Amino acid sequence: GENVEQHPSTLSVQEGDSAVIKCTYSDSASNYFPWYKQELGKRPQLIIDIRSNVGEKKDQRIAVTLNKTAKHFSLHITETQPEDSAVYFCAAKWGGGTSYGKLTFGQGTILTVHP
Amino acid sequence: NAGVTQTPKFQVLKTGQSMTLQCAQDMNHEYMSWYRQDPGMGLRLIHYSVGAGITDQGEVPNGYNVSRSTTEDFPLRLLSAAPSQTSVYFCASSYSDSLYFGPGTRLTVT
Repeated sequence: GENVEQHPSTLSVQEGDSAVIKCTYSDSASNYFPWYKQELGKRPQLIIDIRSNVGEKKDQRIAVTLNKTAKHFSLHITETQPEDSAVYFCAAKWGGGTSYGKLTFGQGTILTVHP
Repeated sequence: NAGVTQTPKFQVLKTGQSMTLQCAQDMNHEYMSWYRQDPGMGLRLIHYSVGAGITDQGEVPNGYNVSRSTTEDFPLRLLSAAPSQTSVYFCASSYSDSLYFGPGTRLTVT
């Protein structure tokens, strides 16, 4: 099956700095890589995703990059704000293809943005 | 639309008891899944369904049963609760790759 490793487990930055979270995956057939944000006591919510035929995707202050050869992908948050503080999870889809909804998640990164 | 709903929000069980966690979605999504979340381990897939009448096992299926008789509902049954099943359980639905999670059920087994 798929295995996803996520680093770092905790990340502390000053407001306005950039934050980068990295994930590696094991299954070369995986073709979909989402990132979820989870605030304390809330459900995970999708913030950005990327497919294997794309190298980079941006949405305002958030970007994701994918290196298929090295089997790793990263989340980049620029100009961080206190409301970015949360737990971030990366994930990879099981087995590629049309196995919709079957994700393997990383262990999570606790991001703290200090004002 | 209510999206994905789960009941109960909190539950305490004694070892050996059984119960059913309810999940419903009103978005007409074909795909539904159950995940459990434990500290430091992310979310792990328990069971999965691609449509009414069709279910499949995920990473950690032991001790859990599911069935999918309708598109809307996907209950998760704990047959004989164990302390190792203490966790937060999230139901999710999707029509493609993007998952929509429910609010979660926090389960404690003593």
